[in-house]
Amino acid sequence: DAGVIQSPRHEVTEMGQEVTLRCKPISGHNSLFWYRQTMMRGLELLIYFNNNVPIDDSGMPEDRFSAKMPNASFSTLKIQPSEPRDSAVYFCASSPQTRDTQYFGPGTRLTVL
Amino acid sequence: TQLLEQSPQFLSIQEGENLTVYCNSSSVFSSLQWYRQEPGEGPVLLVTVVTGGEVKKLKRLTFQFGDARKDSSLHITAAQPGDTGLYLCAGSGTYKYIFGTGTRLKVLA
Repeated sequence: DAGVIQSPRHEVTEMGQEVTLRCKPISGHNSLFWYRQTMMRGLELLIYFNNNVPIDDSGMPEDRFSAKMPNASFSTLKIQPSEPRDSAVYFCASSPQTRDTQYFGPGTRLTVL
Repeated sequence: TQLLEQSPQFLSIQEGENLTVYCNSSSVFSSLQWYRQEPGEGPVLLVTVVTGGEVKKLKRLTFQFGDARKDSSLHITAAQPGDTGLYLCAGSGTYKYIFGTGTRLKVLA
């Protein structure tokens, strides 16, 4: 079975540009999570969805970040405009239900110059 | 706010040594998981513990859930360079799933 799929794996962009990260969760999983990981702050939950509905976006740093889940098999995390401090590894994870074990994708390493 | 604090934060040891990583909280968790993350990859689930006092073994790794289900430990016997990585505990809290602060382990050959 395919695991969580993320694209792109690496993204290098310039400050001010729009960045879109993509995620395909494991089929049949009802919850999807977006995380950001840095050495300084560790693994931070940005937002999570349950049955395609955003449940908790309190971790989204500011209005420049937005996330959507138009259907059960696809989600995007968008940063507009991007800033150098957004440089991090962004992970998508899915789970059968919100409080179940999460399965992580390989991550997208974002570098904003 | 439920928190999971791990200690130590960093650990560098020689191959063959034993080590223990701790995951502590003031809150009760219905279950607790341990993940390992290798460089360039996402965290991968190692084990789930559910019952207070439960002990699970995975080859040279021994996981224990505290009797009160507020803490857990991971013990590695005869560490190998392949054990190098970031170890994360995570638990199902009252309303959501939360991750610990992480322990970064480096095993030197």
